Amino acid sequence: AQSVTQPDIHITVSEGASLELRCNYSYGATPYLFWYVQSPGQGLQLLLKYFSGDTLVQGIKGFEAEFKRSQSSFNLRKPSVHWSDAAEYFCAVGEGGNNDMRFGAGTRLTVKP
Amino acid sequence: KAGVTQTPRYLIKTRGQQVTLSCSPISGHRSVSWYQQTPGQGLQFLFEYFSETQRNKGNFPGRFSGRQFSNSRSEMNVSTLELGDSALYLCASSLNKRESDTQYFGPGTRLTVL
Repeated sequence: AQSVTQPDIHITVSEGASLELRCNYSYGATPYLFWYVQSPGQGLQLLLKYFSGDTLVQGIKGFEAEFKRSQSSFNLRKPSVHWSDAAEYFCAVGEGGNNDMRFGAGTRLTVKP
Repeated sequence: KAGVTQTPRYLIKTRGQQVTLSCSPISGHRSVSWYQQTPGQGLQFLFEYFSETQRNKGNFPGRFSGRQFSNSRSEMNVSTLELGDSALYLCASSLNKRESDTQYFGPGTRLTVL
């Protein structure tokens, strides 16, 4: 079965600094990969997704992610973090043929002024 | 287009009771999935419905059940509530049942079991 690991539970960055959130997956075939963001008391909002093709995926709010098959990783990046980016970020993998996604434990992002 | 709506947003129940949560998907979406989110277990898949049929079910006891109506609206039911059922229950809808279809999440129903 597929699984997702987000090694960092909590990350703090200064506003304007760059950001990279790590995600590693375990899946036999080419996975369907997603990054979602959740603000306090809210549902999840899709930032970006990867299915195939170009391994560098652009998403909303200035986020991008790169799929690296050799490292089984799908790290999320942003060149300059804004205070409004403070939230919890979830990496997820979808299994072919099913709509049940496996989520990582999440990484909570704190942005310092 | 309106997003996924979930009702109620907050719910307080006592152990042993049962509860029904409702989810209205985005118009035109035919697949509805349910997830449970807790601090300890994170986000866990409960089940998915497509065209009124349960397609997939996560590893939850039989106390958790659901259904989908012909208009794609979905309900989930938890019977004989336990303290550990306290969680945020999220519903997500997608256009079809393909894994490539984006799932759009509702704001969730916060269930507290006392």
